[in-house]
Amino acid sequence: EAGVTQFPSHSVIEKGQTVTLRCDPISGHDNLYWYRRVMGKEIKFLLHFVKESKQDESGMPNNRFLAERTGGTYSTLKVQPAELEDSGVYFCASSQMTVQETQYFGPGTRLLVL
Amino acid sequence: AQSVTQLGSHVSVSEGALVLLRCNYSSSVPPYLFWYVQYPNQGLQLLLKYTTGATLVKGINGFEAEFKKSETSFHLTKPSAHMSDAAEYFCAVSAANFGNEKLTFGTGTRLTIIP
Repeated sequence: EAGVTQFPSHSVIEKGQTVTLRCDPISGHDNLYWYRRVMGKEIKFLLHFVKESKQDESGMPNNRFLAERTGGTYSTLKVQPAELEDSGVYFCASSQMTVQETQYFGPGTRLLVL
Repeated sequence: AQSVTQLGSHVSVSEGALVLLRCNYSSSVPPYLFWYVQYPNQGLQLLLKYTTGATLVKGINGFEAEFKKSETSFHLTKPSAHMSDAAEYFCAVSAANFGNEKLTFGTGTRLTIIP
């Protein structure tokens, strides 16, 4: 069974540009999470989808970040316009709909904003 | 609100020696506790988790952790370090009262194994 996949693995953009990150969860996983790790700091929660609905978006830093989950399958996270402080590693995780089912993480997308 | 403190951002141990990575948590509700490991250029992999029941939890690759409520700790141990254990380790907590809650992570501990 395929794990969580993320695309691209790396992205280097200039300040003010737009970047879209994609996450494909494990098939059948209704829960999808986005996390971010800024260099040297802890991994922080961004938001949580249950199927196509946003369950919790309390960690989204500001309105430059837009997350979508089309049809409850893959998800995209768009940053527009990107700022220097958006640099970091963006992780996606998915889990099944049972109580505290393990979250399975993807390899992450390394974003560098210059 | 929940938080995790991992003591020591870098830990070095000799091959064959005991590995001890420390994790203390703060939670206003009963916690679920996790240890994840990240090998170079890979995603986070679950080592072990505590939800309910036995407080000593065994995980993959010979690791184990003990939930100590009185000490608000969930330290990770392995009796004998192997070169392949070199990685970054993350302790995380979530709220046990609700299902499928977000994880709150510590800052991570990078483990180096000395040959």
